Amino acid sequence: KAGVTQTPRYLIKTRGQQVTLSCSPISGHRSVSWYQQTPGQGLQFLFEYFSETQRNKGNFPGRFSGRQFSNSRSEMNVSTLELGDSALYLCASSPTGDPSYEQYFGPGTRLTVT
Amino acid sequence: QKEVEQNSGPLSVPEGAIASLNCTYSDRGSQSFFWYRQYSGKSPELIMSIYSNGDKEDGRFTAQLNKASQYVSLLIRDSQPSDSATYLCAAQSGGSYIPTFGRGTSLIVHP
Repeated sequence: KAGVTQTPRYLIKTRGQQVTLSCSPISGHRSVSWYQQTPGQGLQFLFEYFSETQRNKGNFPGRFSGRQFSNSRSEMNVSTLELGDSALYLCASSPTGDPSYEQYFGPGTRLTVT
Repeated sequence: QKEVEQNSGPLSVPEGAIASLNCTYSDRGSQSFFWYRQYSGKSPELIMSIYSNGDKEDGRFTAQLNKASQYVSLLIRDSQPSDSATYLCAAQSGGSYIPTFGRGTSLIVHP
């Protein structure tokens, strides 16, 4: 079974621009979560989607948004990029809505904001 | 504020030794616990999950959970240089869809 895929893998953007990242979960998985990982803050939760509904949102400004499509694929968008948004953005999928299930991470998108 | 604490390390062990990684969590309502391995520049990879008090073994890995002490550990037997990575501990409360991750412990296995 193919794993979680994320595109693009690397991205360089300029302050003030916006960016859209894409995630395709493992086939059959309906829950998709997004995380931001930086050396200083570690792994921080952004949001989680299940059946096209955002169920939870982390402590990030409104510049960070996301959505999930009917095929469970998900996108996240960051508008008005800031230097501090430079990070590894990780998507993780889980089979069902049961929170006790394990999450499987994609390879991540490394975003650099200059 | 739910917290998961891990010693950042690095923890250095010789090849063939047992590596012991520890994690404590603050939320007594936590019910699901996970260990992830993350190589430098890569994404986290799930190693083990544990839900009940006691030990759970999978190959060279053993996860241990003590809910009374709010403590989770990961033992790696016969450590190999390829085990050198950062190990992340995560705890998830019942009914919560958001796991809380620790900052990770760096493990170095030297030949």
